[in-house]
Amino acid sequence: DADVTQTPRNRITKTGKRIMLECSQTKGHDRMYWYRQDPGLGLRLIYYSFDVKDINKGEISDGYSVSRQAQAKFSLSLESAIPNQTALYFCATSNWRGGNEQFFGPGTRLTVL
Amino acid sequence: SQQGEEDPQALSIQEGENATMNCSYKTSINNLQWYRQNSGRGLVHLILIRSNEREKHSGRLRVTLDTSKKSSSLLITASRAADTASYFCATDRLNSNAGGTSYGKLTFGQGTILTVHP
Repeated sequence: DADVTQTPRNRITKTGKRIMLECSQTKGHDRMYWYRQDPGLGLRLIYYSFDVKDINKGEISDGYSVSRQAQAKFSLSLESAIPNQTALYFCATSNWRGGNEQFFGPGTRLTVL
Repeated sequence: SQQGEEDPQALSIQEGENATMNCSYKTSINNLQWYRQNSGRGLVHLILIRSNEREKHSGRLRVTLDTSKKSSSLLITASRAADTASYFCATDRLNSNAGGTSYGKLTFGQGTILTVHP
């Protein structure tokens, strides 16, 4: 079984809809991250969490919110989706004891029409 | 803005040749990491080099780090068609206000697309 899972894997939605992307991990890591990837722009950090009670904004948090329901679960919400949020979204985890080496989920491809 | 800038943006070589990718960054780092991404899939960690290290090897991978120039290179020797992927550097920035630890988050470059022809 995959250590970091994301659901759904693909989603097509319409402008204005609320969307939730979910991430679960079985690695026992305390740190979790949400990134988006756009062609030619690498990965940009949306939000990150160092433990259940810690949530931090990344470089592109506007239009997004997150919830850390448990150590193993970190969800990303788009309250009112817009077309320029069409992207590939990745969840990742890391363990503070290491060098912040990150383990990625398979990604969610989101299309906002 | 991206901490890491990679060069070249795309690289096309024949199987058996070596591939070299470069990464430059702007601020002090705790470590620098390289990741690989097959088309549309999640990134996979390849290698980590700490700020006090100058060179590191892992199988056919060789990474160098020059902190004075704020640059790193990834060399893949004897490339194979299966090495075709995008390669990203990522920096773990140093938090000088917190006893020299890191901020706990990575900043990724835009990546190099490597194509290895059989």
